[in-house]
Amino acid sequence: DQQVKQNSPSLSVQEGRISILNCDYTNSMFDYFLWYKKYPAEGPTFLISISSIKDKNEDGRFTVFLNKSAKHLSLHIVPSQPGDSAVYFCAARGTSGGSYIPTFGRGTSLIVHP
Amino acid sequence: DAGVIQSPRHEVTEMGQEVTLRCKPISGHDYLFWYRQTMMRGLELLIYFNNNVPIDDSGMPEDRFSAKMPNASFSTLKIQPSEPRDSAVYFCASSLTENYGYTFGSGTRLTVV
Repeated sequence: DQQVKQNSPSLSVQEGRISILNCDYTNSMFDYFLWYKKYPAEGPTFLISISSIKDKNEDGRFTVFLNKSAKHLSLHIVPSQPGDSAVYFCAARGTSGGSYIPTFGRGTSLIVHP
Repeated sequence: DAGVIQSPRHEVTEMGQEVTLRCKPISGHDYLFWYRQTMMRGLELLIYFNNNVPIDDSGMPEDRFSAKMPNASFSTLKIQPSEPRDSAVYFCASSLTENYGYTFGSGTRLTVV
């Protein structure tokens, strides 16, 4: 049973537009969330994270929003660039009482068209 | 540092054969993780070590899978006998802490025919 769900296997957007990648989780013990980015033939690399005490975290073109009541988070990329084309993994973990190891979703493949 | 180094990059083997995947973590990292990536299940944790000791192997799918870490600079994941459903990309990652700052290797793409 997937505790971290990325229901969109793929997303296609035009260069310069906004990309929105969604992620849902089911485990109430999760209180820290991460996004990883993966290019072909490479390992995932950390992109951005957010703690449950916040509802938004921004880093340049990347912003993560967290809606705890809905157990939902999203990654916004504005503006999208062709170099952003990659697989994005959402991950979640706890910070107390166990569940310290991140649980990953299936990933969403983003394609940004020039 | 060269990062986390995995070998081989690609492995094609016949069903029933033994497969050994190798990983060299970043020097000084106390934690080592083995993950498997598939389309159906995404990135799933198989096992992780702390200071060369296996801490949680609940993600190892079957007894056919085993992992060792004989020293701080080397780990192996072995599948014996291999089956077509084991085909996936296997990643090794290391970190200073249990829950943050993972550095992944480039992965081993395993194909069992």
